Amino acid sequence: NAGVMQNPRHLVRRRGQEARLRCSPMKGHSHVYWYRQLPEEGLKFMVYLQKENIIDESGMPKERFSAEFPKEGPSILRIQQVVRGDSAAYFCASSPVDRGSFEQYFGPGTRLTVT
Amino acid sequence: AQSVAQPEDQVNVAEGNPLTVKCTYSVSGNPYLFWYVQYPNRGLQFLLKYITGDNLVKGSYGFEAEFNKSQTSFHLKKPSALVSDSALYFCAVSFQTGANNLFFGTGTRLTVIP
Repeated sequence: NAGVMQNPRHLVRRRGQEARLRCSPMKGHSHVYWYRQLPEEGLKFMVYLQKENIIDESGMPKERFSAEFPKEGPSILRIQQVVRGDSAAYFCASSPVDRGSFEQYFGPGTRLTVT
Repeated sequence: AQSVAQPEDQVNVAEGNPLTVKCTYSVSGNPYLFWYVQYPNRGLQFLLKYITGDNLVKGSYGFEAEFNKSQTSFHLKKPSALVSDSALYFCAVSFQTGANNLFFGTGTRLTVIP
């Protein structure tokens, strides 16, 4: 059973470009979470999605950021017009159930560098 | 407001000695508590969790943690540290009601000295 997959592992974008980060949850998991980790900091929640639904996007910046989890295919975190402050590691996690008591399984992350 | 604190940025311990990584939390209601470990350039790996029941929770790689409600703490422990335990450790909390996302502490870097 493959774990949570994220690609690309490393992404370099110039200021103003778009970044697309992909996450394939573990098989059988229909709940996906995105977190951002700035250097030397803990992870900060961004958005929680189920298939075709955004459940909680309270941690996502209001502008330039969007996320989706379509019926088929991976979850996508999209950052438009990237700025240097977007440079961070972005982690996706998945779980099989809609319960806070259940641990989340994390992917290896995508490290975004904005030049 | 919900928060998780890891008061130590760095913990150094000699190989073979017991280790403790501290975590305290501030939440309304009953929390679910988790420990994760992160190795360089890797994602987080789940170590253990406290949901309910016995205050002492045993997890992966010989780690355990003790839930202390009166002190609102959930310290991670291991009786005998290994060099391979050197990593970044995160305490996290979620809640019985409402959002299922995790709130993370800022992390503690554990270095086990041979």
